[in-house]
Amino acid sequence: GAVVSQHPSWVICKSGTSVKIECRSLDFQATTMFWYRQFPKQSLMLMATSNEGSKATYEQGVEKDKFLINHASLTLSTLTVTSAHPEDSSFYICSAKGQASPTDTQYFGPGTRLTVL
Amino acid sequence: AQKVTQAQTEISVVEKEDVTLDCVYETRDTTYYLFWYKQPPSGELVFLIRRNSFDEQNEISGRYSWNFQKSTSSFNFTITASQVVDSAVYFCALSEGPSGGAQKLVFGQGTRLTINP
Repeated sequence: GAVVSQHPSWVICKSGTSVKIECRSLDFQATTMFWYRQFPKQSLMLMATSNEGSKATYEQGVEKDKFLINHASLTLSTLTVTSAHPEDSSFYICSAKGQASPTDTQYFGPGTRLTVL
Repeated sequence: AQKVTQAQTEISVVEKEDVTLDCVYETRDTTYYLFWYKQPPSGELVFLIRRNSFDEQNEISGRYSWNFQKSTSSFNFTITASQVVDSAVYFCALSEGPSGGAQKLVFGQGTRLTINP
């Protein structure tokens, strides 16, 4: 149990285009989903927290208009990187928290590696 | 403010050796959770253990054991008889707040563990 999927696992895009990443909790309902960014050999940096049906809460320094988050259902959240630039290239990881046991635990997706040319 | 320190950036041992990964945390809250996650080369974070602040019992799961000591604000992780498959980056993390809330995770910088055959 407690499986979280992400799609796509990797994506390469041209500068100026938008990219959408999906995060799904496959076997539990996720009341809260989180989006992280990880640079090579560094720790995870929280970008935003989203609850189903409400607006995401962004961390300081994260541009809301650039990183659009939608948490449409209890099993799906999406992150759209708008007008991507090379500096947005990174490893993006989502996590989900909800009814999976043990509670109050974030379960992570496999990550999406974004490369912007 | 919350903070998690993993002072060991990299550890390299020979297979079958025991190895301990250190984690020291700072928090002003009396209710909090501590976690360990494993990130193998594939990138996905794998949940290993959750411990709440009121439960100081040490835990053993197979070759893994955890030592939680509130007096020293430490939550150390020991792998006994290490194996090559244990090679990964290990993250210690802390979350605060009441159960059921959208608690954020604060991660340590991670310890890169390499088990050599």
